[in-house]
Amino acid sequence: DTEVTQTPKHLVMGMTNKKSLKCEQHMGHRAMYWYKQKAKKPPELMFVYSYEKLSINESVPSRFSPECPNSSLLNLHLHALQPEDSALYLCASSHDLSGRLTDTQYFGPGTRLTVL
Amino acid sequence: DAKTTQPTSMDCAEGRAANLPCNHSTISGNEYVYWYRQIHSQGPQYIIHGLKNNETNEMASLIITEDRKSSTLILPHATLRDTAVYYCIVRRRGPNAGGTSYGKLTFGQGTILTVHP
Repeated sequence: DTEVTQTPKHLVMGMTNKKSLKCEQHMGHRAMYWYKQKAKKPPELMFVYSYEKLSINESVPSRFSPECPNSSLLNLHLHALQPEDSALYLCASSHDLSGRLTDTQYFGPGTRLTVL
Repeated sequence: DAKTTQPTSMDCAEGRAANLPCNHSTISGNEYVYWYRQIHSQGPQYIIHGLKNNETNEMASLIITEDRKSSTLILPHATLRDTAVYYCIVRRRGPNAGGTSYGKLTFGQGTILTVHP
């Protein structure tokens, strides 16, 4: 099973709302990622978690708050977003970050977020 | 990580081979060439990767030139379902991958491949 699932598929929220995106994988992967993809642009890395610890934050604004409650789950908490944050949010996972084994990243289908 | 250059778009007839070029003239010795694709409204999908030898799997073949400054992804018998954006990515991997050892994928603009009936 090489599936990464993301919920919800679509989300519409106002600028004062608080919402969360969820990502799940059951491949035993210990590295998980959040990417953001604006329309007609390539994906851009936001966060990397390694063994449930935040490893990389690519200077993402604090209105995006990631959380990795266990090795299978990755959340992205959203608060006070702006309309320009509307995008496809992609989650990915890989075996780990060591590179000793395959480091293929498996992506979920994404959550299409619209901020009004 | 080294920068890559790909054509903006390409067309291919169904059933024919699709050859997607990628230029990575500044690639260094410990950098691998990865290919991912993204079908419309889906997440990116890993295709293949290589260091210096040619590679083949069930999806595609990867041909890397001897000087490693360019590569070609070959889809041997393109189908309509292969219509997608194809990303060529060059990156280090392993314990010495940039000190932090994180597997960052830096996507370029990619090539939009359209397969026609």
